[in-house]
Amino acid sequence: SQQGEEDPQALSIQEGENATMNCSYKTSINNLQWYRQNSGRGLVHLILIRSNEREKHSGRLRVTLDTSKKSSSLLITASRAADTASYFCATDAGIKAAGNKLTFGGGTRVLVKP
Amino acid sequence: EAGVTQFPSHSVIEKGQTVTLRCDPISGHDNLYWYRRVMGKEIKFLLHFVKESKQDESGMPNNRFLAERTGGTYSTLKVQPAELEDSGVYFCASSQGGSSYNSPLHFGNGTRLTVT
Repeated sequence: SQQGEEDPQALSIQEGENATMNCSYKTSINNLQWYRQNSGRGLVHLILIRSNEREKHSGRLRVTLDTSKKSSSLLITASRAADTASYFCATDAGIKAAGNKLTFGGGTRVLVKP
Repeated sequence: EAGVTQFPSHSVIEKGQTVTLRCDPISGHDNLYWYRRVMGKEIKFLLHFVKESKQDESGMPNNRFLAERTGGTYSTLKVQPAELEDSGVYFCASSQGGSSYNSPLHFGNGTRLTVT
């Protein structure tokens, strides 16, 4: 079974709408991160939320974390065509020494139609 | 500041051949990671270098994979001999520090490997 699983696998919305995607994980974590990948490009770090935080904002991004349910959500408000990408959640190993040894979910493909 | 660069961007080889992927991390980043995404699966950790030393190679699938980072600068990942199941996208990432909290990963664009 997977450490990180995103839901939904794909999402299609109109420009200006909000996009919400969820991530579940299985083991203890120090933090959870979200990355974006545009087609054919590398992953870009978006936001990190620590295990003792419940909500974090960065521009049009809002991330929540519920450690009791081992789940996180990423909300993109007022979406733009440029937000079209795949979004991945990633969890660390829960051990500080493990650093950036991350476990990624399968990703959510978001299509924002103009 | 130049980002993480990977070469080649694409490689198509036959089963049994050898392929070497190269990664140039961001200058000054001591930590270098290899990840890969095989078709239809998640992005998975392969290994982690701190400078020239292998910190963690627990994700390397088998002994057909050999990673090196001579001099603590660029890294290579060699697959010999390549098998069909090795097809996928190989990502390199680097970070300045070793903590995921204050040193997020910077990824390269990946090398798409196709083994036929």
